[in-house]
Amino acid sequence: GDSVTQMEGPVTLSEEAFLTINCTYTATGYPSLFWYVQYPGEGLQLLLKATKADDKGSNKGFEATYRKETTSFHLEKGSVQVSDSAVYFCALSTGAQKLVFGQGTRLTINP
Amino acid sequence: NAGVTQTPKFQVLKTGQSMTLQCAQDMNHEYMSWYRQDPGMGLRLIHYSVGAGITDQGEVPNGYNVSRSTTEDFPLRLLSAAPSQTSVYFCASSYSPSGGREQYFGPGTRLTVT
Repeated sequence: GDSVTQMEGPVTLSEEAFLTINCTYTATGYPSLFWYVQYPGEGLQLLLKATKADDKGSNKGFEATYRKETTSFHLEKGSVQVSDSAVYFCALSTGAQKLVFGQGTRLTINP
Repeated sequence: NAGVTQTPKFQVLKTGQSMTLQCAQDMNHEYMSWYRQDPGMGLRLIHYSVGAGITDQGEVPNGYNVSRSTTEDFPLRLLSAAPSQTSVYFCASSYSPSGGREQYFGPGTRLTVT
């Protein structure tokens, strides 16, 4: 079945460091790919998405590119801030809106 | 526009008790779903609905019932609570069932079964 594998956490970085969180997927067909973020005590909210190969999703300085050849959707940010501390989830959808999530990566940014 | 609302925020149940987790959305979304979040496992789909009167099972449906009598509401019922159902439960909604659409999540209900 469909699955998503994320980089194990937790990840701790200093402010202004470069961030990469790896995400790879297995799916039949052509999934849409998402990154959701969960701030402490809150529900998930969409960070960015890409719906076809080579698309780049971007938001709030975060970027991820849909790579069909490597079945990956890695999340990157050039300079992280303390306010980026959260749990990040990679997810896919192959129609019918059923999201399949990775296990989540907890990110802590120290000032 | 309140988005997706869930009640209660916290709940403690004893094994064998039943309860209903409430979910409502005011965005006129056709698609609604329930997920549970467990440490190290991400979110897993319990049940979903593509419109009023239509529901289907997700990945982990056992022990849960749903119904969708209106577009706005999608309650999740625990029939006989078990400690394995201790989790954080999220309701989500989306404009349409087609893939690629953003899903909007509620704030969650933290359930403990003793």
